[in-house]
Amino acid sequence: KQEVTQIPAALSVPEGENLVLNCSFTDSAIYNLQWFRQDPGKGLTSLLLIQSSQREQTSGRLNASLDKSSGRSTLYIAASQPGDSATYLCAVKDNYGQNFVFGPGTRLSVLP
Amino acid sequence: SAVISQKPSRDICQRGTSLTIQCQVDSQVTMMFWYRQQPGQSLTLIATANQGSEATYESGFVIDKFPISRPNLTFSTLTVSNMSPEDSSIYLCSVEKGYNEQFFGPGTRLTVL
Repeated sequence: KQEVTQIPAALSVPEGENLVLNCSFTDSAIYNLQWFRQDPGKGLTSLLLIQSSQREQTSGRLNASLDKSSGRSTLYIAASQPGDSATYLCAVKDNYGQNFVFGPGTRLSVLP
Repeated sequence: SAVISQKPSRDICQRGTSLTIQCQVDSQVTMMFWYRQQPGQSLTLIATANQGSEATYESGFVIDKFPISRPNLTFSTLTVSNMSPEDSSIYLCSVEKGYNEQFFGPGTRLTVL
């Protein structure tokens, strides 16, 4: 059964710092991996989708990498801003079923 | 991408009652998914809803408690039946588009007293 973990659970940084969020999964037979952000009490916003054949995806200040063999993905946020404050979730879709398995999330606070 | 709306956005309900949550998508999709997010927790999949067939429920979720309808390719409802305070959560619907990218609605925040 696929399990997804994320570290750190929470992170507080001053504005302008570059930061890395980590996602690990136990079964490397994945179809894709997706990063989301969630603002308090809100739904999820898709940030980046990485297919199993890809190594990384970029969107603006965000870069996500994928290393299937080691069961890891990282989300890099450059030049962080207070508006980046949110919970970041990764989700993995494996090759066996239709469903995504979500990690517990990393709560990010960017201080002005 | 997909634009998804949910109704209601939030509700406060009494124990023992039922609430039906609606999910509307701006384009036709094969599968729709219903998730629960309990306070301070990540998302847990409740069921997958295909148009024209019964929903497929995950372990720990049953049709009597969470009946789902999927009358067409752009709409689904989830009912939370015989509610208890433990059902207080955010309920989210989602769809897959394009290269199996998942998109979520804004969620329904349910409080059961």
